[in-house]
Amino acid sequence: QPVLTQSSSASASPGSSVELTCTLGSGHSSNIIAWHQQQPGKAPRYLMKVENGGTFNKGSGVPDRFSGGSSGADRYLTISNLHFEDEADYYCETWDSNSRVFGGGTKVTVL
Amino acid sequence: EVQVLESGGGLVQPGGSLRLSCAASGFTFSNYGMSWVRQAPGKGLEWVSSIGSTGVTTYYAGSVKGRFTISRDNSKNTLHLQMNSLRAEDTAIYYCAKLETGGSVNWGQGSLATVSS
Repeated sequence: QPVLTQSSSASASPGSSVELTCTLGSGHSSNIIAWHQQQPGKAPRYLMKVENGGTFNKGSGVPDRFSGGSSGADRYLTISNLHFEDEADYYCETWDSNSRVFGGGTKVTVL
Repeated sequence: EVQVLESGGGLVQPGGSLRLSCAASGFTFSNYGMSWVRQAPGKGLEWVSSIGSTGVTTYYAGSVKGRFTISRDNSKNTLHLQMNSLRAEDTAIYYCAKLETGGSVNWGQGSLATVSS
C-alpha cells in the first residue's frame, strides 16, 4: 500500500507564494497523485493531478494561481499570489491496484 | 453538471448498522468507479472503500474490511455503503467521490454518521 507524507502546516502572506510537498513512499515514487483543497467547514475539492515528470492537469474552475510539479518521489502544489480564501487544508491522494491513500494534510495559513 | 449527494447518516449505537447512499447525476454513472472517504472530527481524510464501474470489483481499507459493504445500482445511479458492527471510531463525515484516472475528481457534501450510546 502506498504511503504519502505531508508537512503539517505552512504559512505565507497575501500576494506571496507557497509550495506544498507530498512525498511518495518507497516503491511508489512514480505514482500519479491528486491534490485536494478543503476550506473550513466544507467538503474537499479536487484541484489537479500531478504525474511523475511534472505534468499536471487541473480540475474545472481551478484558478491559474495553482500549479503542480514533481521531482523524484516529491509532488508539489504551488499557490501563487496567495488569497485569503486559499487558507485551507490541502491533501494529496494516490492509489495502487486495490487501495487508495491520503496524506495527512497540510494546513495553510494566510497571515 | 456532475453532482453526487450523500444521505442516510445519523446517530446509531455501538454495534448497530447504517446504510449510506450516494445519488449521482450529470454523468454516465455506469462508466466510473466510485469511492467512499471519511473524515473523523478534527482529523484528515481516510479512504474507506472503492468499487469498479460494473460493481464486480470492490476494495476496502483494513479498518472496515468485514464490517462494511460497498455496492452500486447502475440502473438507479446510486452508490451504497452498508456499515455493520459500528464502533465509536467510525464516527465521521462520509463522502462519496467519483473516480477518474486523475483521482477522486468530484466530491459530495458528506453525510455524518455518529456512533454513540
